[in-house]
Amino acid sequence: SQTIHQWPATLVQPVGSPLSLECTVEGTSNPNLYWYRQAAGRGLQLLFYSVGIGQISSEVPQNLSASRPQDRQFILSSKKLLLSDSGFYLCAWSGEGSPNYGYTFGSGTRLTVV
Amino acid sequence: AQSVTQLGSHVSVSEGALVLLRCNYSSSVPPYLFWYVQYPNQGLQLLLKYTSAATLVKGINGFEAEFKKSETSFHLTKPSAHMSDAAEYFCAVSEWTGFQKLVFGTGTRLLVSP
Repeated sequence: SQTIHQWPATLVQPVGSPLSLECTVEGTSNPNLYWYRQAAGRGLQLLFYSVGIGQISSEVPQNLSASRPQDRQFILSSKKLLLSDSGFYLCAWSGEGSPNYGYTFGSGTRLTVV
Repeated sequence: AQSVTQLGSHVSVSEGALVLLRCNYSSSVPPYLFWYVQYPNQGLQLLLKYTSAATLVKGINGFEAEFKKSETSFHLTKPSAHMSDAAEYFCAVSEWTGFQKLVFGTGTRLLVSP
């Protein structure tokens, strides 16, 4: 069966520090991968998606970047964190092909920038 | 572009009462619709999905949703609320632009009182 792992679960970082959040998927190949951010009271915002190794698309301009160095690995990064980067970050995957697969989400990372 | 609107950011019910969470969609093509549940500090879990096979969709934990094209609605219901149902619920519509992208509503927090 497919599983998705996301870490760390919580992170407190000072303003201006770098960030690296990692997400890996097991039990499937060539998944579509997604990073969402959930800010308090603002629902889910799609940040990045990837349909293959090295293929990254950004939905909104921001202080973050994403990379996909391996088929089932998706990394969210920042060189210098801002206070506004605080939030709950969720990684998700879906199967390629039909749109009715839905997403499977990771357990999320709570990022607090201080 | 597809979108969903969730009416009511908070819904309060008593234990044992009917749960009704509202979702209306906007889509130029037959939609794929989803309901997800999120417990505090966790990722999103798929409750159910509509993929045009049947208008009444049954999901996990006793939830179901009915697709009504004439009303462009996909409301989530449960006959009898349980304390463990307290969570945030998200409606989503699938947008297919060569890959699957889920567009989420802003969420409804369900509060269950004893």
